[in-house]
Amino acid sequence: DAGVIQSPRHEVTEMGQEVTLRCKPISGHNSLFWYRQTMMRGLELLIYFNNNVPIDDSGMPEDRFSAKMPNASFSTLKIQPSEPRDSAVYFCASSLWGGPNTEAFFGQGTRLTVV
Amino acid sequence: AQTVTQSQPEMSVQEAETVTLSCTYDTSESDYYLFWYKQPPSRQMILVIRQEAYKQQNATENRFSVNFQKAAKSFSLKISDSQLGDAAMYFCASNYGQNFVFGPGTRLSVLP
Repeated sequence: DAGVIQSPRHEVTEMGQEVTLRCKPISGHNSLFWYRQTMMRGLELLIYFNNNVPIDDSGMPEDRFSAKMPNASFSTLKIQPSEPRDSAVYFCASSLWGGPNTEAFFGQGTRLTVV
Repeated sequence: AQTVTQSQPEMSVQEAETVTLSCTYDTSESDYYLFWYKQPPSRQMILVIRQEAYKQQNATENRFSVNFQKAAKSFSLKISDSQLGDAAMYFCASNYGQNFVFGPGTRLSVLP
């Protein structure tokens, strides 16, 4: 398996623009997580899905952020409009809840810079 | 709420020496997992070691081992024979239901 795949690896955008981050989880995994990492706040959980259903979105900073998982193999995190304070590394991770080796497998992350 | 605490923001170790990174956690779960992840400068999050809470025996993976004290809710990582490639951020984590909670991380430097 290729692991968790995120795109793009890097994104530079202007303030006010819409940004969409994409994630393909590991095939067969039933849980998907979006994290944001910054120097100041560390690794923050934004939202997670189980069987494509959002379970906890309490970490989503504000209404400018939205996440979808239309099927088991794809998820998006959208920021509209983007602001400079959204600059961070965004990670997607997946896991097989209930499996013998429950752990989170991470993608390479997307470094977002909003100027 | 589940919390994971790492009290050492930064640590350093001499190459070939041993270093221990601390982690404490708080959980209401009766069965759970604990993890240590490594994040090198490439920013990839890599699982180093995993411990199942119901297992008494401490997990080991080559040069990496843990000291799991369930009653004290402590889960420290010991790195033996430290190598330059061990320099990274290390995150302690626990699962909380289907979720994972991460500590703030410890930045480990390895001195030649």
